Amino acid sequence: NAGVMQNPRHLVRRRGQEARLRCSPMKGHSHVYWYRQLPEEGLKFMVYLQKENIIDESGMPKERFSAEFPKEGPSILRIQQVVRGDSAAYFCASSPMTRNSPLHFGNGTRLTVT
Amino acid sequence: DAKTTQPNSMESNEEEPVHLPCNHSTISGTDYIHWYRQLPSQGPEYVIHGLTSNVNNRMASLAIAEDRKSSTLILHRATLRDAAVYYCILRDRNTGTASKLTFGTGTRLQVTL
Repeated sequence: NAGVMQNPRHLVRRRGQEARLRCSPMKGHSHVYWYRQLPEEGLKFMVYLQKENIIDESGMPKERFSAEFPKEGPSILRIQQVVRGDSAAYFCASSPMTRNSPLHFGNGTRLTVT
Repeated sequence: DAKTTQPNSMESNEEEPVHLPCNHSTISGTDYIHWYRQLPSQGPEYVIHGLTSNVNNRMASLAIAEDRKSSTLILHRATLRDAAVYYCILRDRNTGTASKLTFGTGTRLQVTL
């Protein structure tokens, strides 16, 4: 029973490039959450999605960041024109529809912007 | 979201029990108390959750005060693999999966031989 899969594990981008982070939820899970963790800081919520819908994007920066969770395929977090301040670990979590189910997290994508 | 307060760090000896406290004096009647932990270089991992009664699972026990304004995560025998940051989080049961988890700074647990 595979857990939440995130890829790539490590991603290096130059300033101005685009970063695409992928998250495959656990089988049977239809809810996906994205979090960001800056070096030596806590986890910050970014966005919560269900299939084809963004439910809560209150933690997403207004510019350059977008997320999707299509009917087929993984959830994608996209960062356009990356800057050094985007360097962080990005974690994805998934949960089933059942109310109060725990979140299952992947091991993250570590983005480094040079 | 109601706020939780945890000590920044704690130390424990291996093979001994660890009691990790959490204060949540503004908890509402519909808030579940969740605990997650994050091992180095990994994503957070669910540990346990409860509402009013004490809870046990294979990883830990959760003791909830009668007034629900505080709780304690109990690791019965700490091992080196339990060294992690432990987060105590409140989650409204009425919104359930529609609610995000809001992580605080947690307690960094060090386990020594």
